[in-house]
Amino acid sequence: TQLLEQSPQFLSIQEGENLTVYCNSSSVFSSLQWYRQEPGEGPVLLVTVVTGGEVKKLKRLTFQFGDARKDSSLHITAAQPGDTGLYLCAGANNAGNMLTFGGGTRLMVKP
Amino acid sequence: NAGVTQTPKFRILKIGQSMTLQCTQDMNHNYMYWYRQDPGMGLKLIYYSVGAGITDKGEVPNGYNVSRSTTEDFPLRLELAAPSQTSVYFCATITGHSSPLHFGNGTRLTVT
Repeated sequence: TQLLEQSPQFLSIQEGENLTVYCNSSSVFSSLQWYRQEPGEGPVLLVTVVTGGEVKKLKRLTFQFGDARKDSSLHITAAQPGDTGLYLCAGANNAGNMLTFGGGTRLMVKP
Repeated sequence: NAGVTQTPKFRILKIGQSMTLQCTQDMNHNYMYWYRQDPGMGLKLIYYSVGAGITDKGEVPNGYNVSRSTTEDFPLRLELAAPSQTSVYFCATITGHSSPLHFGNGTRLTVT
């Protein structure tokens, strides 16, 4: 069983601050996806990283896949209240048809 | 094009009762999944299916059953509801390998 450890579990920050969420495993994943979930809804994909060392940017969000494809990070610059939500990382198996989710990071950005 | 539709949205069950959570997709995807999400936590895979007639256990299958008689439908059955099954249940599909999951809006189940 592939396990993903996500940290921190909870994060409460002021608007304008920067933050980083980590997703770590001892297993290698073929790709890693980051999702954001609003209350009462299903998770929605933010990004997929595939190549070891890959960095992707989505406006103020920067995603990195570790060189060994075992870990990933999400960095948010100048957080805004609209960034509030549950952030989930999910690693794909070699076949790419099974995702293992981390425990999630609940982010609250206060105005 | 509704995507992934789950019914009901909410349900309260008494211990020992049974129910079926419905999931229908109109995207003609082969892969379908059932996850459960406990409050503030990540998702755990219950069962999945790679196509009509084929189902497999995920990480936490005990207490659940599934069937996949058509491409569109993937119902999840609870035979003897237990308080430990109180959770939010999400059905999801993918288009193919390494594709993102498309989720339904979930069914919130409480067992008392």
